Amino acid sequence: SYELTQPPSVSVAPGQTASMTCSGEKLGNRFPCWYQQKPGQSPVMVIYRENKRPSGIPERFSGSISGNTATLTISGTQAMDEADYYCQAWDSGTVVFGGGTKLTVL
Amino acid sequence: EVQLVESGGGLVKPGGSLRLSCAAAGIPFSNAWMGWVRQAPGKGLEWVGHIKVKSDGGTEYAAPVKGRFSISRDDSKDTVYLQMNSLKTEDTAVYYCTTVDMTGFLAYWGQGALVTVSS
Repeated sequence: SYELTQPPSVSVAPGQTASMTCSGEKLGNRFPCWYQQKPGQSPVMVIYRENKRPSGIPERFSGSISGNTATLTISGTQAMDEADYYCQAWDSGTVVFGGGTKLTVL
Repeated sequence: EVQLVESGGGLVKPGGSLRLSCAAAGIPFSNAWMGWVRQAPGKGLEWVGHIKVKSDGGTEYAAPVKGRFSISRDDSKDTVYLQMNSLKTEDTAVYYCTTVDMTGFLAYWGQGALVTVSS
């Protein structure tokens, strides 16, 4: 079965750039997207189709892909961005999630 | 504004059944693929399955629930259902209703319904 690999945790200082990766075979062909989940809340989509930002999501969130690795970048990270982030891909008509990365804003 | 509201969660014994409902508003429901995602306590997100629009036909399920869970929809009520049978303790989770784009992204999520499977 298809798998997506994310680092368990990433730390960043306020105002700096946070980068979170997601790796999977031929990920560029699988429409990677990203979700933010804060404690006690439902997930919110922050990036879809690799690099598209839904309305209402701040411009500091961006997505990219290189080879088999997708990256979610948060520029000028704020304390409110502290959350779990999940990548997700579309594999043969099914949804696959990565294990999630806990972003800590120090 | 899009709203997805789940209901029907609760405590059930192992081997029992439960049906979750998800009422949608603010979307053209009959044209929307709908799905379910669950999250066990302290764990990550896990896809459960989804249902396509009637013209596309069909459902897809994750391996751990295939044969035990089924998803259906009533377009006249803008509601999608998750019927869960032969429940196991490992099915304990918050179950989220989502919209599903045909390229796989989950744009909208409900608030979640807690299902606890315990004797």
